[in-house]
Amino acid sequence: DAGVIQSPRHEVTEMGQEVTLRCKPISGHDYLFWYRQTMMRGLELLIYFNNNVPIDDSGMPEDRFSAKMPNASFSTLKIQPSEPRDSAVYFCASSLWDAREPQHFGDGTRLSIL
Amino acid sequence: QQPVQSPQAVILREGEDAVINCSSSKALYSVHWYRQKHGEAPVFLMILLKGGEQKGHDKISASFNEKKQQSSLYLTASQLSYSGTYFCGTGSTNDYKLSFGAGTTVTVRA
Repeated sequence: DAGVIQSPRHEVTEMGQEVTLRCKPISGHDYLFWYRQTMMRGLELLIYFNNNVPIDDSGMPEDRFSAKMPNASFSTLKIQPSEPRDSAVYFCASSLWDAREPQHFGDGTRLSIL
Repeated sequence: QQPVQSPQAVILREGEDAVINCSSSKALYSVHWYRQKHGEAPVFLMILLKGGEQKGHDKISASFNEKKQQSSLYLTASQLSYSGTYFCGTGSTNDYKLSFGAGTTVTVRA
């Protein structure tokens, strides 16, 4: 079975540019989560969706960050404009039915903003 | 609020045992455990739910003390493959999102 697929795996861009991270969850999973991981702050939940609907975006750091899930098989996380402090590894995860089920993580996108 | 994990790091020789602890100041509904190797994604190990239900790998054991809002992960007869950073993620009763601890780095040496 295909796992959670994220793209790109690595992104290096200059400050001020728009960044779009993509995620394809496991087929049949109802929940999708976006996380950010840094040495200083650890693994932080940014936003999660249930059946394509955003449920909680309280972890989104600023208005520069936005996330969408137009259908059950695709989600994006956008940063516009990007700043050096946004550099981190961004993970997407999905789970079945509800969050009492395991979360399956994608390989992550390593983002560097210069 | 982020759960607190202890210890921050532990070094073991193959075959030795270790316990990783996770505690929360909030009432918990679920505790998830994940292991992450350097440069890789976190991988699911175990879920413990209020009421005693558990889901996870046969070779991993853990406990959940609902009254104390604490969970422990037991690494028994450690192998080299157990090396990595272990994270607990806690979920409260009222929502399903997880708050992750800072992680415990486990190094198993031959």
